[in-house]
Amino acid sequence: DSGVTQTPKHLITATGQRVTLRCSPRSGDLSVYWYQQSLDQGLQFLIQYYNGEERAKGNILERFSAQQFPDLHSELNLSSLELGDSALYFCASSVQGAANYGYTFGSGTRLTVV
Amino acid sequence: GESVGLHLPTLSVQEGDNSIINCAYSNSASDYFIWYKQESGKGPQFIIDIRSNMDKRQGQRVTVLLNKTVKHLSLQIAATQPGDSAVYFCAENIRGNKLVFGAGTILRVKS
Repeated sequence: DSGVTQTPKHLITATGQRVTLRCSPRSGDLSVYWYQQSLDQGLQFLIQYYNGEERAKGNILERFSAQQFPDLHSELNLSSLELGDSALYFCASSVQGAANYGYTFGSGTRLTVV
Repeated sequence: GESVGLHLPTLSVQEGDNSIINCAYSNSASDYFIWYKQESGKGPQFIIDIRSNMDKRQGQRVTVLLNKTVKHLSLQIAATQPGDSAVYFCAENIRGNKLVFGAGTILRVKS
């Protein structure tokens, strides 16, 4: 157990739907990062939050949004889902706002869009 | 631009042999590098890291080498075991905010 908790582990939904993925960071970590992992794209950075505020943005689609709550858990919202959104979504956390002490990853949410 | 690439997508080694996984990075401003291991169905797991002011760092059975001149990073695994079979990713940090990951190398250990 890495200490980073992601729910649900698996999610199957239809195209056009909206889903919410949840992440609880490791105790004491203030930063949360979201990554998408698909077979042909590797680990793609989506977005980072630090202590409730957006810190960095990557290749995140406009249909996707995220937030970090006062208790530091984060949610990634995916809407108007398409088949191509099927992927593993990972959350990672780190103590500081910078990534130069490494991340701890959760076990991921596998999203299947049918 | 942001680009971290791997030379070998799949590496097969005999149990007990040493493994070397290579990674090329493109940004000379990168100051921190990490190797992660990802087993099937799990999240990436930290193996070892190195900062740009070093050229070598050793852990338990693993060594990371950094050659800044040619922007190359390698992971050496000594006495490779079946449990080392996984996908290995290198990642670089450019000025703090996020890690940029390479495409990954599959390591297969033959018994």
